[in-house]
Amino acid sequence: KAGVTQTPRYLIKTRGQQVTLSCSPISGHRSVSWYQQTPGQGLQFLFEYFSETQRNKGNFPGRFSGRQFSNSRSEMNVSTLELGDSALYLCASSLGHRVVGEQYFGPGTRLTVT
Amino acid sequence: GENVEQHPSTLSVQEGDSAVIKCTYSDSASNYFPWYKQELGKGPQLIIDIRSNVGEKKDQRIAVTLNKTAKHFSLHITETQPEDSAVYFCAASPGFQKLVFGTGTRLLVSP
Repeated sequence: KAGVTQTPRYLIKTRGQQVTLSCSPISGHRSVSWYQQTPGQGLQFLFEYFSETQRNKGNFPGRFSGRQFSNSRSEMNVSTLELGDSALYLCASSLGHRVVGEQYFGPGTRLTVT
Repeated sequence: GENVEQHPSTLSVQEGDSAVIKCTYSDSASNYFPWYKQELGKGPQLIIDIRSNVGEKKDQRIAVTLNKTAKHFSLHITETQPEDSAVYFCAASPGFQKLVFGTGTRLLVSP
């Protein structure tokens, strides 16, 4: 089975711009979660989508949003970029049952905001 | 909300030694505890996990133990090899697919 794929792998944006990141989960997985990884804050949960619905949300401002499509692929969007948004953005896929299960991460998208 | 503490932040061992990484969690409702290994330039890789109804789980050289009463769980790596060098993260799940991660342990295995 192919693993979790994320595109693009690297991105450079300017403050004030917006960005969209994409994640394709493992075939058969219906849940996609997004995490932000920074040296200062570590790995932090952004949100989780299951069957096109946001099921869980972390403590991030409204500039961070996401969506999921009927094929389980997910996108996250960050508007009005700030320097502090520079991070590795990771998505993880899982079967998505109500009982938490194994989550498999993609390689991440490295976002640099200048 | 859930808070996970992880120690030590760095760990250096000689090849063949054992390595132990410890985590504590705060939310007694958390019931799933995975461990991830992250190598440079890669996403975290799930290496082992344990659920709250189990006290110990082993997979070859890796084992995880869980003490629900004390809210502690630990990763044990035996017979360490240079390829075990990476950053290791513990996590706890307070519900659904949300994971709350520890701050990571950089493990260095010297030949």
